[in-house]
Amino acid sequence: ETGVTQTPRHLVMGMTNKKSLKCEQHLGHNAMYWYKQSAKKPLELMFVYSLEERVENNSVPSRFSPECPNSSHLFLHLHTLQPEDSALYLCASSRALAGGRETQYFGPGTRLLVL
Amino acid sequence: AQTVTQSQPEMSVQEAETVTLSCTYDTSESDYYLFWYKQPPSRQMILVIRQEAYKQQNATENRFSVNFQKAAKSFSLKISDSQLGDAAMYFCAYKNQGGKLIFGQGTELSVKP
Repeated sequence: ETGVTQTPRHLVMGMTNKKSLKCEQHLGHNAMYWYKQSAKKPLELMFVYSLEERVENNSVPSRFSPECPNSSHLFLHLHTLQPEDSALYLCASSRALAGGRETQYFGPGTRLLVL
Repeated sequence: AQTVTQSQPEMSVQEAETVTLSCTYDTSESDYYLFWYKQPPSRQMILVIRQEAYKQQNATENRFSVNFQKAAKSFSLKISDSQLGDAAMYFCAYKNQGGKLIFGQGTELSVKP
């Protein structure tokens, strides 16, 4: 499935930098998600948006700030990150949020390294 | 809270052979969905197969099939006629009625030529 794109694919940033991750889906979906994938750990759900409204924030530190300007785009704004925030950040989308039958389609991820 | 456990961090299979990846989950819900995702070195998470808990019939997608044992809360993935391109991390995932997807720790599958 290539309907979800993420940029940049790789990002190196210092702890004082501000950067943004971008996700775009071309599938006509209404729900979008941010996940964090750290080494040796299961994927962690960070944020969920449905029809541009945030519906879930899984106790994510405020140095991560999501933005969903429309149903096709999702951003993750980063500022004053810590080295332990280094991970693969995956974006996903699904046709709808409600109900379990909706399959999530993932983007290729952004590999983030915080120095 | 629901949990998903993959007890095999690594598995290996000979090309053209069959391999089974294990997954167990814990839930008090009666209606839910289960997924297997594949993550190759490119890191793109790709859906392999999906199972609805209310269906007794095991899902099948070409060389991929599942053994869904609802009472035992077990959801294993069988890959037949393994190919080199099957080498990847495989994640089992549970989706509750609220739409939240919960992943296991993953199993890294290597395929030997």
